Amino acid sequence: GNSVTQMEGPVTLSEEAFLTINCTYTATGYPSLFWYVQYPGEGLQLLLKATKADDKGSNKGFEATYRKETTSFHLEKGSVQVSDSAVYFCDDNTDKLIFGTGTRLQVFP
Amino acid sequence: DTAVSQTPKYLVTQMGNDKSIKCEQNLGHDTMYWYKQDSKKFLKIMFSYNNKELIINETVPNRFSPKSPDKAHLNLHINSLELGDSAVYFCASSQDWAGGTGELFFGEGSRLTVL
Repeated sequence: GNSVTQMEGPVTLSEEAFLTINCTYTATGYPSLFWYVQYPGEGLQLLLKATKADDKGSNKGFEATYRKETTSFHLEKGSVQVSDSAVYFCDDNTDKLIFGTGTRLQVFP
Repeated sequence: DTAVSQTPKYLVTQMGNDKSIKCEQNLGHDTMYWYKQDSKKFLKIMFSYNNKELIINETVPNRFSPKSPDKAHLNLHINSLELGDSAVYFCASSQDWAGGTGELFFGEGSRLTVL
């Protein structure tokens, strides 16, 4: 089954608001952690990743820090744009069976 | 060049028909996957092949049959289509399997509508 848990959406924000999407993992060991993004009408694409504890992945203004002590990999962005509206999936790469429903982000002008 | 390409992008067909979706990756990856995404965006694996060998076959009706002629191709054939098969089907590939640091590369999806 799915070894990551992420917050349910939709998350609705105004442009320039601060974004946090929570993700926690339960895998043993030290899995690599990923955030994928799915824009409307497209397939998933890698947004950022971290391969070991305390690593920070970043891309397009998004950041996530691999925190072993809290088994978390929360996705953050300081100022969201309308173009960030998409579905975001957290993954720990130990189980490719289920990605779940992701978290839908809707950003309004 | 598109890394993972799947065709067709849209497919509308009648119940009872047989259809195929093709997938090709030019990344030199060893592992390919088929995922199904429902209308609520729930994304779940159907099959996975590693070097042309089936390694994952989830609880999928045997009307669905994957075929991997070589490690760059993984096609999905569906017999006797049903209304509930309507979904978006995604092909993906990765260099390694579980536990690796590699990411998944997804195709753009094939939207199947069964009438």
